Amino acid sequence: SQQGEEDPQALSIQEGENATMNCSYKTSINNLQWYRQNSGRGLVHLILIRSNEREKHSGRLRVTLDTSKKSSSLLITASRAADTASYFCATDAWTGRRALTFGSGTRLQVQP
Amino acid sequence: DVKVTQSSRYLVKRTGEKVFLECVQDMDHENMFWYRQDPGLGLRLIYFSYDVKMKEKGDIPEGYSVSREKKERFSLILESASTNQTSMYLCASSGEGLAGDEQYFGPGTRLTVT
Repeated sequence: SQQGEEDPQALSIQEGENATMNCSYKTSINNLQWYRQNSGRGLVHLILIRSNEREKHSGRLRVTLDTSKKSSSLLITASRAADTASYFCATDAWTGRRALTFGSGTRLQVQP
Repeated sequence: DVKVTQSSRYLVKRTGEKVFLECVQDMDHENMFWYRQDPGLGLRLIYFSYDVKMKEKGDIPEGYSVSREKKERFSLILESASTNQTSMYLCASSGEGLAGDEQYFGPGTRLTVT
């Protein structure tokens, strides 16, 4: 079963606009991570937020975590055509298994 | 710079063949992972390893086996390839003991079984 589920599945915006993607999960977590994947390539780690953190920034990225709602959001500000990619959330949950669980991703298209 | 390499970017095999996918990391990481990625299903964990000669099943281990004889190398084996194993295969590694931190991915192998 999917621990993380992203919403929306696909998003199309104009360059310069902000893009927001959401992730919901089911069980308690140690941390939640966001990854990016360019078409046909491997995933690249963007940001990690731990369960005792509420917000984290990295450049144009802002991640929030609400453990009471079991949800996270990734905001990309002032988007660029080069941000076009798929974005995945992944959770490190308190399941005893030492591995991440990935969602099915959000496909972001930034129109120049 | 961190690097995870996979033996092939594209691979075409016939049904029933034994297939080896190799993954090598140069970061001295303890943990290594194999995922498959299919449209609409995201990444699904096949097997992972947290030490040499150690392995654990992921969510979809059926039809696959793995080998980790050296710390830097993790192999995925399809004992008898079937068409439903056509997919993108991604290898990853991480350095933290609990395998819950940042993972580094290889470029992927797109396997087609005909």
